Amino acid sequence: GEDVEQSLFLSVREGDSSVINCTYTDSSSTYLYWYKQEPGAGLQLLTYIFSNMDMKQDQRLTVLLNKKDKHLSLRIADTQTGDSAIYFCAEREGGYNKLIFGAGTRLAVHP
Amino acid sequence: DTAVSQTPKYLVTQMGNDKSIKCEQNLGHDTMYWYKQDSKKFLKIMFSYNNKELIINETVPNRFSPKSPDKAHLNLHINSLELGDSAVYFCASVPTSGSNNEQFFGPGTRLTVL
Repeated sequence: GEDVEQSLFLSVREGDSSVINCTYTDSSSTYLYWYKQEPGAGLQLLTYIFSNMDMKQDQRLTVLLNKKDKHLSLRIADTQTGDSAIYFCAEREGGYNKLIFGAGTRLAVHP
Repeated sequence: DTAVSQTPKYLVTQMGNDKSIKCEQNLGHDTMYWYKQDSKKFLKIMFSYNNKELIINETVPNRFSPKSPDKAHLNLHINSLELGDSAVYFCASVPTSGSNNEQFFGPGTRLTVL
């Protein structure tokens, strides 16, 4: 069955790098996504990676994909207090753009 | 300029009541979704419509009935509300064709059933 798993909490110091990990089960997923949810707000797409890629970099964000292990990670360089939020990993399943979300990782950035 | 909007933002009601949540997108997208996010932040798809046709219907009680009057609107009607229906409900939309099939989310409707 479909399942996406993430660790629930991560605490980092401002200026350090954050790494949020995710594992998924559907090997046929074509796209994998990272969404960010700030308190009281909806989800905002941060970045995505196509399944034939190993890595994608976008400014402070680096996504690594290990298809063999079905492991996805999001690295945020120079983490700032404004990065404090919940980060959701999601895999796209099937032909109707159905997204399966992980439980979300709550990132806390402290001085 | 709001891309995906939902009304109301907050809804507090008594058990047993019937209520509706509305969603509108002005992005010209063909497909719209309803998601439920519970108190632990688990986010799960409920329904999806493509051009007013139901295409995804997860295991949701039939007290929940989505309605799409046109492809820009997807409403959610809930009958006989129960305590367990308390959650944040998110609407989302996506174009049928696109480079990454990004889903655009609304701001959410926080439903509290007393």
